[in-house]
Amino acid sequence: GAGVSQSPSNKVTEKGKDVELRCDPISGHTALYWYRQRLGQGLEFLIYFQGNSAPDKSGLPSDRFSAERTGESVSTLTIQRTQQEDSAVYLCASSYRTSSGGEQYFGPGTRLTVT
Amino acid sequence: QKEVEQNSGPLSVPEGAIASLNCTYSDRGSQSFFWYRQYSGKSPELIMSIYSNGDKEDGRFTAQLNKASQYVSLLIRDSQPSDSATYLCAVIAGGTSYGKLTFGQGTILTVHP
Repeated sequence: GAGVSQSPSNKVTEKGKDVELRCDPISGHTALYWYRQRLGQGLEFLIYFQGNSAPDKSGLPSDRFSAERTGESVSTLTIQRTQQEDSAVYLCASSYRTSSGGEQYFGPGTRLTVT
Repeated sequence: QKEVEQNSGPLSVPEGAIASLNCTYSDRGSQSFFWYRQYSGKSPELIMSIYSNGDKEDGRFTAQLNKASQYVSLLIRDSQPSDSATYLCAVIAGGTSYGKLTFGQGTILTVHP
């Protein structure tokens, strides 16, 4: 079946602009996660959705970052007033199980470059 | 102390050999453990999950978990050049973690012909 999809695959933006990144999880997966991977670094957790609620936003680096999810489908991560340090690959993952520790499957990511 | 630690490598093995990748974690309450493979410029791909002490085999891959020692490993038998990638160890902590993954920094594996 179809895996996790993300769009756009690449995004170049000027410092100070807002960007929206989209994630479409695997059908039937209720849990959705956003992670960030800076060049040469490990993956950092950003936010977790269960359905359309976000019980864990602890990884969002600043109030410039926000995310929402429509039902148990598409999620959008928004970064306002982008800064150069926001440059990274933003990865979305979905899972069938939730807090008990289900396997997470990643999308291809969105590579964000802030100039 | 990092929550999940891996040998950064790089680890180089000849084709056909066994590659051994190691990971330690700090949260004793962790219950779920995963190995992901990440090719350069690509997203992580799940290759193994393990939840109980002992070994779990899937094809050429064997994951080993020892909760008492807070240690998880991945063995790749009959290594192939196509196995050359970064291998990420990921852990779901105990308590109210909501299933979020904490990753190690990854081990770069090179399999040379």
